[in-house]
Amino acid sequence: EAGVTQFPSHSVIEKGQTVTLRCDPISGHDNLYWYRRVMGKEIKFLLHFVKESKQDESGMPNNRFLAERTGGTYSTLKVQPAELEDSGVYFCASSQGGTGRAQYFGPGTRLTVL
Amino acid sequence: AQSVAQPEDQVNVAEGNPLTVKCTYSVSGNPYLFWYVQYPNRGLQFLLKYITGDNLVKGSYGFEAEFNKSQTSFHLKKPSALVSDSALYFCAVRDLIQAGTALIFGKGTTLSVSS
Repeated sequence: EAGVTQFPSHSVIEKGQTVTLRCDPISGHDNLYWYRRVMGKEIKFLLHFVKESKQDESGMPNNRFLAERTGGTYSTLKVQPAELEDSGVYFCASSQGGTGRAQYFGPGTRLTVL
Repeated sequence: AQSVAQPEDQVNVAEGNPLTVKCTYSVSGNPYLFWYVQYPNRGLQFLLKYITGDNLVKGSYGFEAEFNKSQTSFHLKKPSALVSDSALYFCAVRDLIQAGTALIFGKGTTLSVSS
């Protein structure tokens, strides 16, 4: 069974540019999560999809971040325009439904904003 | 507010010795607790979880963790460390009352096992 995949693995952009990160969850997982780890700090929750619906987006830092999950399959996270403080590693995770299920993480996308 | 603390930035042990990576938590209700491991240039891998039942939980790669409600702790343990266990370990909690399904992570502990 394929795990969670993320693309790209690394992205280096300049301040003010736009970047789109992609996440493909494990097949059959309705729940999809985005997290971010800024250098040396905790991994922080960004948002949660159940199928194509945003269940919880309380962790999204501001309106420069837009997440979508069209058709309830893969998800994209767009940052527009990027700022220096957006640099970090963006993780995607997926899980099956039901409380207590483990979330399975992708390898992350390392975003560097110069 | 809900939180997770991993008091040690780094833990150093010799191969073959037992290891413990500490984790304490603070939540409003009953916690769901998880341990993840991150190897260099890899994503987080799920190790084990505590939901309910037996306080001693066994997971992947010979790791286990003990849930202690009175001390609000969920320390990760292994009887005999391997060099290949060297990695970054994260403790996480779900607070079903306050935070829904989001995981709240500690800062991570780097485990270094020497040969």
